[in-house]
Amino acid sequence: AQTVTQSQPEMSVQEAETVTLSCTYDTSESDYYLFWYKQPPSRQMILVIRQEAYKQQNATENRFSVNFQKAAKSFSLKISDSQLGDAAMYFCAYRSALGGSNYKLTFGKGTLLTVNP
Amino acid sequence: KAGVTQTPRYLIKTRGQQVTLSCSPISGHRSVSWYQQTPGQGLQFLFEYFSETRRNKGNFPGRFSGRQFSNSRSEMNVSTLELGDSALYLCASSGKDGAGSGNTIYFGEGSWLTVV
Repeated sequence: AQTVTQSQPEMSVQEAETVTLSCTYDTSESDYYLFWYKQPPSRQMILVIRQEAYKQQNATENRFSVNFQKAAKSFSLKISDSQLGDAAMYFCAYRSALGGSNYKLTFGKGTLLTVNP
Repeated sequence: KAGVTQTPRYLIKTRGQQVTLSCSPISGHRSVSWYQQTPGQGLQFLFEYFSETRRNKGNFPGRFSGRQFSNSRSEMNVSTLELGDSALYLCASSGKDGAGSGNTIYFGEGSWLTVV
């Protein structure tokens, strides 16, 4: 079974600064997808960024980028120019590429990000 | 384009009762999955339905069940409610649409269940 570990329960960053959230995972599969979801106080899970394991290039979405290290099974999220609206719980998630009965997300415990003005 | 819609948003039930939660996926999506979120256990996968068939099930007791209709709408049911069933229940949908990838899973706002 796959596991996802987020070792930082809480992080804080000053507005306009950069912060990196860590995520490691364990899997025996070679093809899979990794995601970062954001959950603000409204509790809706919002997709931030996704990475396909077969792609060597790190994904970027505006101020959000990842550092995907497949051999190390590491998938960190970097938020640049942090904004007050970035304050939320961030979840790292894994999904097998096999599909079918493997079509589910395995989540880490989350990292609560605080943005200080 | 409407997102994933869950109803009801909030509900309070008494121990021993049963509850049914509803989820309408994004139009065109055929996969619907359910997750339970609690402070202690975090986000846990309940089950996933595709074209009215349950393809995958998490490690939950048989009190938790679900179904999917021909229009892809899904319901989950919890019978004989226990205090520990108090949680946020999140529904998610996935499937090829006009602009997205078939591999991205989109979530609804959740249904808050409190068991007293």
